[in-house]
Amino acid sequence: RKEVEQDPGPFNVPEGATVAFNCTYSNSASQSFFWYRQDCRKEPKLLMSVYSSGNEDGRFTAQLNRASQYISLLIRDSKLSDSATYLCVVKNTGGFKTIFGAGTRLFVKA
Amino acid sequence: NAGVTQTPKFQVLKTGQSMTLQCAQDMNHEYMSWYRQDPGMGLRLIHYSVGAGITDQGEVPNGYNVSRSTTEDFPLRLLSAAPSQTSVYFCASMQGATNEQFFGPGTRLTVL
Repeated sequence: RKEVEQDPGPFNVPEGATVAFNCTYSNSASQSFFWYRQDCRKEPKLLMSVYSSGNEDGRFTAQLNRASQYISLLIRDSKLSDSATYLCVVKNTGGFKTIFGAGTRLFVKA
Repeated sequence: NAGVTQTPKFQVLKTGQSMTLQCAQDMNHEYMSWYRQDPGMGLRLIHYSVGAGITDQGEVPNGYNVSRSTTEDFPLRLLSAAPSQTSVYFCASMQGATNEQFFGPGTRLTVL
């Protein structure tokens, strides 16, 4: 079983739609959680960190469920420019080790 | 402020050749790392460094060497290239306090 698992998609949604991605992690000692965005043939870039209380950044909302060991990303009012691959990232306690999920592809269509 | 830079952008090697992928950062970050990205696999950590003179192995270190003689530079050496090393290689740096990793633009390597 992979340490971090994501639905690879692709998710095909129309502009204006709301879309949600989930990511599960296997190590209960994991302490830090992030969503990165990766455009086609580009490097990953941090989209947002995920805090225990949940957090929002404009149209993006991230939530953490430690009991069920998953994090989620909700995108409201999707834009064409949201088309990308979204990577779930988990960092374990007390060390450098950072685990990346394989990513979920999103296509937003006009 | 260039961030994280990588050279070359593209490289084609023959099996058995050696080469060095260059990575440099100008943000004075302590942590630097090398990842490879393959379809459906996500980014996998090859080697990392927590400061000048200190390196350690990641998840997939075989066939690769690294060194960190300065804070800025973290080259990755392929000793004897194999087709299984065909991949996209990303270098990243991180300041411990923020945990945000900044990635270079990547090197696309093909081994024939």
